Amino acid sequence: DAKTTQPPSMDCAEGRAANLPCNHSTISGNEYVYWYRQIHSQGPQYIIHGLKNNETNEMASLIITEDRKSSTLILPHATLRDTAVYYCIVSSGGYQKVTFGIGTKLQVIP
Amino acid sequence: KAGVTQTPRYLIKTRGQQVTLSCSPISGHRSVSWYQQTPGQGLQFLFEYFSETQRNKGNFPGRFSGRQFSNSRSEMNVSTLELGDSALYLCASSFDSTGGPDTQYFGPGTRLTVL
Repeated sequence: DAKTTQPPSMDCAEGRAANLPCNHSTISGNEYVYWYRQIHSQGPQYIIHGLKNNETNEMASLIITEDRKSSTLILPHATLRDTAVYYCIVSSGGYQKVTFGIGTKLQVIP
Repeated sequence: KAGVTQTPRYLIKTRGQQVTLSCSPISGHRSVSWYQQTPGQGLQFLFEYFSETQRNKGNFPGRFSGRQFSNSRSEMNVSTLELGDSALYLCASSFDSTGGPDTQYFGPGTRLTVL
């Protein structure tokens, strides 16, 4: 079973920030939070990951709560090309089986 | 660096046949994982290989098998195909930095249709 819970769908206006939440209340101390996205029928694309500090890269920002039980992926200025299914997963690395949930289908609206 | 490549991209088979899918990981990556994605079940983990050994396995029947070669390339095989095996099969590779983050990079997938 997936260790994360995400809303099944969200809409966002083009140019606005998209904030995608994820709950991972049973996360272990050595598990990282990863975000991937999948544009229709393509392989999932890595976005960002973090352990406990907030992270930012050229694609997005990741905000992790202090208790690490939830996180938010922020796409600062959503474009139509950001329409995709976004997956939040937790993993401690190669030895651990990775389970993807159903993800959040983000629709960016013109 | 070249990304993860999967061959073939599309495949049509009939029930009862078997199929072999191939995955070439990113150069230097040692871990290869396989996933099945269907509209009804989402992205499900099949198995993961590291140093030619299966390290983890998902909840799939024995008809699904795989292997990894010394150059980290991997193949998966499905025998006695069923209609329900129609899916997008995804391969992902990672460096496997034990004890630290291990980002997976996915290939484009092989779309298998079973008639």
